Amino acid sequence: GAGVSQTPSNKVTEKGKYVELRCDPISGHTALYWYRQSLGQGPEFLIYFQGTGAADDSGLPNDRFFAVRPEGSVSTLKIQRTERGDSAVYLCASRQAGGPTDTQYFGPGTRLTVL
Amino acid sequence: EDQVTQSPEALRLQEGESSSLNCSYTVSGLRGLFWYRQDPGKGPEFLFTLYSAGEEKEKERLKATLTKKESFLHITAPKPEDSATYLCAVKPNFGNEKLTFGTGTRLTIIP
Repeated sequence: GAGVSQTPSNKVTEKGKYVELRCDPISGHTALYWYRQSLGQGPEFLIYFQGTGAADDSGLPNDRFFAVRPEGSVSTLKIQRTERGDSAVYLCASRQAGGPTDTQYFGPGTRLTVL
Repeated sequence: EDQVTQSPEALRLQEGESSSLNCSYTVSGLRGLFWYRQDPGKGPEFLFTLYSAGEEKEKERLKATLTKKESFLHITAPKPEDSATYLCAVKPNFGNEKLTFGTGTRLTIIP
């Protein structure tokens, strides 16, 4: 595709529910990243995939958060037992690993609201 | 721990009034410094990557520069459409893929 796409664009859920957020990276990009952005803050790193494997998940805040990328393309961020503090914009980015630049290209984000 | 501090937090300029945004950083070996533009409700849009001190890059009314401790984003004769939040991020060396972002500078250009 032309750019990183994320679905849904908005998600409203109730405290304690389970949510899944989807990311489609730029075609051919093997590196995929998830970040979380709270109001008035810069994005904060959550997890990085190289291919199908999570190469760095040091930013996941706790074990309620989990992400997968089973075929090395689309990724899903899963949040169990959501809490109000999980409300934020979840951003996905991708990069052509091994390419000439280190630039990460971001999608439009999913705005998650936990009531 | 890597740190990025951006100043000012917010800046209001008249159309055509040039200025600079600052990004100060501490990182354990810099692989690259990145500037992004973010419009309300959108994801960050890539502007520049700088890799070494002394490097400069330009795009339309924007020019980014890099020293060993900070980066500047110079905006020349800005237009209202340049209004956005400008984010700075660093990537360290040694195989660490994580970008560390500052909190951004919210730029408003008044017609």
